[in-house]
Amino acid sequence: SYELTQPPSVSVSPGQTARITCSGDALPKQYAYWYQQKPGQAPVLVIYKDSERPSGIPERFSGSSSGTTVTLTISGVQAEDEADYYCQSADSSGTSVVFGGGTKLTVL
Amino acid sequence: QVQLVQSGAEVKKPGASVKVSCKASGYTFTGYYMHWVRQAPGQGLEWMGRINPNSGGTNYAQKFQGRVTMTRDTSISTAYMELSRLRSDDTAVYYCARGFQGMITFGGVIAPGEGWFDPWGQGTLVTVSS
Repeated sequence: SYELTQPPSVSVSPGQTARITCSGDALPKQYAYWYQQKPGQAPVLVIYKDSERPSGIPERFSGSSSGTTVTLTISGVQAEDEADYYCQSADSSGTSVVFGGGTKLTVL
Repeated sequence: QVQLVQSGAEVKKPGASVKVSCKASGYTFTGYYMHWVRQAPGQGLEWMGRINPNSGGTNYAQKFQGRVTMTRDTSISTAYMELSRLRSDDTAVYYCARGFQGMITFGGVIAPGEGWFDPWGQGTLVTVSS
Protein backbone atom coordinates (compact mmCIF):
# COMPACT_ATOMS: atom_id res chain seq x y z
CA SER A 1 0.00 0.00 0.00
CA TYR A 2 1.04 3.60 -0.55
CA GLU A 3 3.11 5.29 2.18
CA LEU A 4 4.28 8.76 3.13
CA THR A 5 7.64 8.69 4.92
CA GLN A 6 8.56 11.14 7.68
CA PRO A 7 11.52 11.14 10.09
CA PRO A 8 10.40 9.91 13.52
CA SER A 9 11.96 12.84 15.33
CA VAL A 10 13.54 16.26 14.84
CA SER A 11 15.22 18.32 17.55
CA VAL A 12 16.08 22.01 17.48
CA SER A 13 16.98 24.75 19.94
CA PRO A 14 14.67 27.72 20.46
CA GLY A 15 15.06 30.33 17.74
CA GLN A 16 16.49 27.87 15.23
CA THR A 17 14.80 26.55 12.09
CA ALA A 18 13.15 23.14 12.05
CA ARG A 19 12.59 21.27 8.80
CA ILE A 20 10.37 18.20 8.64
CA THR A 21 10.25 16.22 5.40
CA CYS A 22 7.60 13.93 3.94
CA SER A 23 8.31 11.70 0.94
CA GLY A 24 5.96 9.83 -1.35
CA ASP A 25 5.91 8.78 -5.00
CA ALA A 26 2.51 10.37 -5.68
CA LEU A 27 3.34 13.76 -4.20
CA PRO A 28 4.25 15.33 -7.57
CA LYS A 29 0.63 14.67 -8.67
CA GLN A 30 -1.24 16.19 -5.77
CA TYR A 31 -1.07 18.51 -2.80
CA ALA A 32 0.21 17.73 0.66
CA TYR A 33 -1.13 19.04 3.95
CA TRP A 34 0.41 19.37 7.42
CA TYR A 35 -1.11 19.03 10.89
CA GLN A 36 0.21 19.85 14.36
CA GLN A 37 -0.93 17.68 17.26
CA LYS A 38 -0.13 18.43 20.89
CA PRO A 39 -0.61 15.78 23.61
CA GLY A 40 -4.24 15.08 24.38
CA GLN A 41 -5.50 17.39 21.64
CA ALA A 42 -6.98 16.96 18.18
CA PRO A 43 -4.79 17.71 15.16
CA VAL A 44 -4.75 21.27 13.82
CA LEU A 45 -4.16 22.19 10.17
CA VAL A 46 -1.02 24.31 9.75
CA ILE A 47 -0.35 24.09 5.98
CA TYR A 48 -2.64 23.24 3.06
CA LYS A 49 -2.03 22.97 -0.70
CA ASP A 50 1.70 22.41 -0.08
CA SER A 51 2.43 25.96 1.07
CA GLU A 52 -0.74 27.84 2.03
CA ARG A 53 -1.13 28.90 5.65
CA PRO A 54 -4.60 28.98 7.26
CA SER A 55 -5.67 32.11 9.06
CA GLY A 56 -4.47 32.14 12.65
CA ILE A 57 -1.35 30.06 11.97
CA PRO A 58 1.86 32.02 12.72
CA GLU A 59 3.98 33.17 9.78
CA ARG A 60 6.93 31.12 11.05
CA PHE A 61 5.17 28.03 9.62
CA SER A 62 5.77 27.50 5.90
CA GLY A 63 5.62 24.66 3.42
CA SER A 64 7.36 23.77 0.18
CA SER A 65 7.36 21.01 -2.42
CA SER A 66 10.04 19.55 -4.67
CA GLY A 67 9.47 16.38 -6.64
CA THR A 68 8.53 13.51 -4.34
CA THR A 69 9.30 15.43 -1.14
CA VAL A 70 7.38 18.12 0.71
CA THR A 71 8.85 20.06 3.63
CA LEU A 72 7.34 21.82 6.62
CA THR A 73 9.62 24.60 7.86
CA ILE A 74 9.25 26.29 11.22
CA SER A 75 11.44 29.39 11.45
CA GLY A 76 12.41 30.80 14.81
CA VAL A 77 11.06 27.76 16.69
CA GLN A 78 9.36 28.46 20.01
CA ALA A 79 8.80 26.15 22.94
CA GLU A 80 5.07 26.05 22.13
CA ASP A 81 5.87 24.45 18.76
CA GLU A 82 6.89 21.21 20.46
CA ALA A 83 4.37 18.69 19.10
CA ASP A 84 3.82 15.83 16.68
CA TYR A 85 3.54 16.83 13.03
CA TYR A 86 1.80 14.75 10.35
CA CYS A 87 1.79 15.13 6.60
CA GLN A 88 -1.26 14.00 4.62
CA SER A 89 -1.99 13.41 0.99
CA ALA A 90 -3.61 10.64 -1.06
CA ASP A 91 -2.55 7.55 -2.97
CA SER A 92 -1.79 7.52 -6.69
CA SER A 93 -5.46 7.09 -7.57
CA GLY A 94 -6.35 10.14 -5.50
CA THR A 95 -9.19 8.32 -3.77
CA SER A 96 -7.61 7.08 -0.55
CA VAL A 97 -6.25 9.45 2.08
CA VAL A 98 -2.81 8.66 3.51
CA PHE A 99 -1.01 10.08 6.53
CA GLY A 100 2.71 10.04 7.19
CA GLY A 101 3.85 8.25 10.32
CA GLY A 102 4.37 11.52 12.19
CA THR A 103 7.41 13.45 13.39
CA LYS A 104 7.96 14.41 17.00
CA LEU A 105 9.46 17.89 17.18
CA THR A 106 11.47 18.46 20.35
CA VAL A 107 12.50 21.97 21.34
CA LEU A 108 15.69 21.59 23.35
CA GLN B 1 -17.53 29.53 14.34
CA VAL B 2 -17.14 26.17 12.62
CA GLN B 3 -17.31 23.39 15.20
CA LEU B 4 -17.54 19.62 15.31
CA VAL B 5 -18.72 18.11 18.59
CA GLN B 6 -18.44 14.36 19.07
CA SER B 7 -20.21 11.97 21.41
CA GLY B 8 -18.65 10.75 24.62
CA ALA B 9 -16.26 7.93 25.44
CA GLU B 10 -17.39 4.33 25.01
CA VAL B 11 -16.34 1.01 26.51
CA LYS B 12 -17.24 -2.06 24.48
CA LYS B 13 -16.62 -5.79 24.64
CA PRO B 14 -14.90 -7.65 21.80
CA GLY B 15 -17.35 -8.54 19.06
CA ALA B 16 -19.70 -5.64 19.83
CA SER B 17 -20.37 -2.54 17.72
CA VAL B 18 -19.89 1.14 18.49
CA LYS B 19 -21.54 4.18 16.92
CA VAL B 20 -19.89 7.60 17.28
CA SER B 21 -21.67 10.82 16.39
CA CYS B 22 -20.28 14.13 15.15
CA LYS B 23 -22.52 17.22 15.23
CA ALA B 24 -21.51 20.06 12.93
CA SER B 25 -22.30 23.75 13.38
CA GLY B 26 -21.25 27.06 11.89
CA TYR B 27 -21.30 25.98 8.23
CA THR B 28 -23.48 24.28 5.62
CA PHE B 29 -23.32 20.61 6.63
CA THR B 30 -24.10 19.30 3.15
CA GLY B 31 -21.40 21.38 1.50
CA TYR B 32 -18.35 19.45 2.71
CA TYR B 33 -17.31 15.82 3.04
CA MET B 34 -16.98 14.42 6.55
CA HIS B 35 -14.00 12.17 7.19
CA TRP B 36 -13.24 9.79 10.05
CA VAL B 37 -9.70 9.24 11.34
CA ARG B 38 -8.55 7.15 14.27
CA GLN B 39 -5.47 7.13 16.48
CA ALA B 40 -4.49 4.16 18.60
CA PRO B 41 -2.67 4.92 21.88
CA GLY B 42 0.81 6.26 21.14
CA GLN B 43 0.36 5.71 17.41
CA GLY B 44 -0.17 7.83 14.30
CA LEU B 45 -3.27 8.92 12.41
CA GLU B 46 -5.19 6.37 10.34
CA TRP B 47 -7.85 7.36 7.79
CA MET B 48 -11.03 5.27 7.92
CA GLY B 49 -13.16 6.82 5.21
CA ARG B 50 -15.52 9.63 4.33
CA ILE B 51 -19.14 10.42 3.62
CA ASN B 52 -20.67 12.99 1.32
CA PRO B 53 -23.40 14.46 3.56
CA ASN B 54 -25.29 15.74 0.52
CA SER B 55 -25.68 12.42 -1.31
CA GLY B 56 -24.87 9.96 1.46
CA GLY B 57 -22.19 8.41 -0.75
CA THR B 58 -19.27 6.82 1.07
CA ASN B 59 -15.65 5.87 0.41
CA TYR B 60 -14.09 3.52 2.97
CA ALA B 61 -10.43 2.62 3.45
CA GLN B 62 -9.84 -0.94 2.29
CA LYS B 63 -8.78 -2.00 5.78
CA PHE B 64 -12.23 -1.21 7.20
CA GLN B 65 -14.41 -2.41 4.30
CA GLY B 66 -17.17 -4.63 5.64
CA ARG B 67 -16.80 -3.42 9.25
CA VAL B 68 -17.45 0.32 9.04
CA THR B 69 -20.62 2.18 8.13
CA MET B 70 -20.80 5.96 7.81
CA THR B 71 -24.16 7.68 7.75
CA ARG B 72 -25.59 11.12 8.27
CA ASP B 73 -28.76 12.92 9.35
CA THR B 74 -28.94 16.21 7.50
CA SER B 75 -31.91 17.43 9.60
CA ILE B 76 -29.62 17.71 12.62
CA SER B 77 -26.27 18.23 10.82
CA THR B 78 -24.81 15.09 12.33
CA ALA B 79 -22.55 12.41 10.90
CA TYR B 80 -22.15 8.92 12.35
CA MET B 81 -19.47 6.25 12.21
CA GLU B 82 -20.34 2.71 13.25
CA LEU B 83 -17.63 0.07 13.60
CA SER B 84 -18.67 -3.55 14.09
CA ARG B 85 -17.00 -6.77 15.25
CA LEU B 86 -14.76 -4.79 17.57
CA ARG B 87 -11.35 -6.16 18.56
CA SER B 88 -8.92 -5.03 21.21
CA ASP B 89 -6.77 -3.34 18.57
CA ASP B 90 -9.71 -1.07 17.71
CA THR B 91 -9.06 0.73 20.99
CA ALA B 92 -8.35 4.27 19.82
CA VAL B 93 -9.47 7.88 19.74
CA TYR B 94 -11.83 8.38 16.80
CA TYR B 95 -11.99 11.81 15.16
CA CYS B 96 -14.36 13.33 12.64
CA ALA B 97 -13.03 16.11 10.42
CA ARG B 98 -14.52 18.38 7.77
CA GLY B 99 -12.94 17.70 4.40
CA PHE B 100 -12.05 20.14 1.64
CA GLN B 101 -11.57 19.21 -2.01
CA GLY B 102 -8.07 18.76 -3.33
CA MET B 103 -6.83 17.92 -6.78
CA ILE B 104 -4.79 15.28 -8.60
CA THR B 105 -3.17 15.40 -12.03
CA PHE B 106 -3.25 12.52 -14.49
CA GLY B 107 -1.00 13.18 -17.47
CA GLY B 108 -1.58 16.92 -17.29
CA VAL B 109 -5.33 16.62 -16.72
CA ILE B 110 -6.51 17.99 -13.37
CA ALA B 111 -9.21 16.03 -11.53
CA PRO B 112 -10.83 16.40 -8.09
CA GLY B 113 -8.90 14.65 -5.35
CA GLU B 114 -8.70 14.34 -1.61
CA GLY B 115 -8.11 17.58 0.22
CA TRP B 116 -7.37 18.80 3.70
CA PHE B 117 -9.18 18.45 6.99
CA ASP B 118 -10.28 21.46 9.00
CA PRO B 119 -11.48 21.55 11.70
CA TRP B 120 -11.38 18.28 13.60
CA GLY B 121 -13.75 17.12 16.32
CA GLN B 122 -12.45 16.77 19.85
CA GLY B 123 -12.16 13.01 19.53
CA THR B 124 -14.01 10.07 21.08
CA LEU B 125 -12.13 7.40 23.01
CA VAL B 126 -13.38 3.91 22.27
CA THR B 127 -12.00 1.21 24.55
CA VAL B 128 -12.47 -2.43 23.60
CA SER B 129 -11.91 -4.74 26.54
CA SER B 130 -13.38 -7.94 27.94
